Amino acid sequence: SQQGEEDPQALSIQEGENATMNCSYKTSINNLQWYRQNSGRGLVHLILIRSNEREKHSGRLRVTLDTSKKSSSLLITASRAADTASYFCATSLSGTYKYIFGTGTRLKVLA
Amino acid sequence: EPEVTQTPSHQVTQMGQEVILRCVPISNHLYFYWYRQILGQKVEFLVSFYNNEISEKSEIFDDQFSVERPDGSNFTLKIRSTKLEDSAMYFCASSGHGLITDTQYFGPGTRLTVL
Repeated sequence: SQQGEEDPQALSIQEGENATMNCSYKTSINNLQWYRQNSGRGLVHLILIRSNEREKHSGRLRVTLDTSKKSSSLLITASRAADTASYFCATSLSGTYKYIFGTGTRLKVLA
Repeated sequence: EPEVTQTPSHQVTQMGQEVILRCVPISNHLYFYWYRQILGQKVEFLVSFYNNEISEKSEIFDDQFSVERPDGSNFTLKIRSTKLEDSAMYFCASSGHGLITDTQYFGPGTRLTVL
């Protein structure tokens, strides 16, 4: 698998349901960030979680990080139609400044 | 809330022409980045810039690309002789405090179309 690979690739849910997206990576990281991208638009930062953290919350968002499994998950609770977007994880590797983005999960929330 | 801005939002150019993409990072940030996203593909790192020099660059960032911070506010990406495959969305990002763990904030992007 590639560094920063999300699954599922696409997810369709009803408004009010929870959405869970997963990200896996291969090498040691400094931190992991989740971004949202509406179609053809810019990247909106959601949450940064550092390698020594296990869980973070921000509003309806909950991110977990399991460094032993090299994986992270993003949970959006009580989803809304406005949450429809692509969601990307980006990992910062030890010793570098760059972030490597995953392929993204396309979330569609049906009203 | 401070944000990264980019101009133009859309640039159309002929193959072989030079283009300069402009970015104004968040004012107290120290690290600056360019990424690109070819339509339908993942976001790819191009270059990072700190203390007026390139910190790191990817294999995409060849001799046709250059970056510059010409003054205290702007950060530019120049493509000397554009190719069709340079068509993409180009994102500028910045982060502060000089720590690798800092959040990178992205601008809205410049869509470059090479004809």
